[in-house]
Amino acid sequence: SSDLIQEAAVSVTLGQTVSIMCQGDSVRSSYVSWYQRKSGQAPLLIVYGNSLRPSGISDRISGSKSGTTASLTVTTAQADDEADYFCACRDSNGDPWVVFGGGTRLTV
Amino acid sequence: EVHLEQSGGEIKKAGESLEISCKASGYIFARYWIGWVRQLSGEGLEYMGLFYPGDTDVRYSPSFEGRVIISANTSITTAYLRWATLTSSDTATYFCVRGPLYGGNIYFDFWGPGTLVTISS
Repeated sequence: SSDLIQEAAVSVTLGQTVSIMCQGDSVRSSYVSWYQRKSGQAPLLIVYGNSLRPSGISDRISGSKSGTTASLTVTTAQADDEADYFCACRDSNGDPWVVFGGGTRLTV
Repeated sequence: EVHLEQSGGEIKKAGESLEISCKASGYIFARYWIGWVRQLSGEGLEYMGLFYPGDTDVRYSPSFEGRVIISANTSITTAYLRWATLTSSDTATYFCVRGPLYGGNIYFDFWGPGTLVTISS
């Protein structure tokens, strides 16, 4: 299986915009999903199908994809956005069906 | 409302067996993949495998195939993750996940609260 590469840590100033990247060969041929994990909580789906937001997810969060890189953008960052963010997609080889990126710690 | 309720934390010894469970409610159990994601302490997420109750199909990540068994009982809408022989490397939090398909790709729209499994050597 291939790897999904994410920056280990990203910081943003309150009220500013930040993008988190997810890079890998599997991204090109797959739909990417993103998950937010806050300390002590289960992960939460925030984007699927590259850019679709589940019901209840803030429109300050958006996803996009170009080639082998997917991006998660958080606009007008709030303190509550501080969390770990993981991308995931289907492996380009078909197995293991889902591969996760290593995660990015967002500090606001 | 979709809900995934997981069994409680476990403390076991290496060499023992273990089965943890995930009771699903609020949706038609047979129509969605259900499976497991592992989180080692302080680490990232690892996909383990999925079970499709509609036809009992099961898919494992190569990293976990042969090491765990994923199953489900459709009559009680419960999924299971079983180890025959635990090792200390199995110490982790295990999340139950529901996996719908979008464009042929799985994503995880609902997560259980996690089950902490601690293995002593």
